[in-house]
Amino acid sequence: GQQVMQIPQYQHVQEGEDFTTYCNSSTTLSNIQWYKQRPGGHPVFLIQLVKSGEVKKQKRLTFQFGEAKKNSSLHITATQTTDVGTYFCAPHGGTSYGKLTFGQGTILTVHP
Amino acid sequence: DVKVTQSSRYLVKRTGEKVFLECVQDMDHENMFWYRQDPGLGLRLIYFSYDVKMKEKGDIPEGYSVSREKKERFSLILESASTNQTSMYLCASSLVGGNIQYFGAGTRLSVL
Repeated sequence: GQQVMQIPQYQHVQEGEDFTTYCNSSTTLSNIQWYKQRPGGHPVFLIQLVKSGEVKKQKRLTFQFGEAKKNSSLHITATQTTDVGTYFCAPHGGTSYGKLTFGQGTILTVHP
Repeated sequence: DVKVTQSSRYLVKRTGEKVFLECVQDMDHENMFWYRQDPGLGLRLIYFSYDVKMKEKGDIPEGYSVSREKKERFSLILESASTNQTSMYLCASSLVGGNIQYFGAGTRLSVL
């Protein structure tokens, strides 16, 4: 079955520093989604990447999909305390019924 | 606005009890999912359903069953709760075809 590795598991940064989380799949993906879960909250969809080499930006967040469609990254520039939470990648292998395999998540802590 | 409602935020049950976790979505979504979330393990899929009365096992179905009698409602059943089922349970729904998943607020279940 599809194996997903998300790293790092934890990241502690000072406010203003950059942050990156990586997601690697053992198989070629149809697309990949990213979700954010605030402390005490539930996962909320951020973005979906579909095309090989795709780059999308949302304000300070930059999402990339690898050329081989096997990996992805989320980069946050100049972190703020509002960025605190767990970031999950959710690769979709093209199987039916919309089933996603979530990565283990990266827990981001931002120190003011 | 999209809404997925889980019947309880917190639940405390005794070992051996039968436990029902209810989830209702108001978006006419075909797909519904049950996950459990444990520290360091991310979101693990228990069961999902792609239509009324249709269900598929996820990655960790042992000890659980599900019911989907109506399109908007997906129930997770713990036939005989055990302490290792203490966890956060998240319900989600999506349209067909690997689309965005919308999550409920979660039910934190403690089995004593």
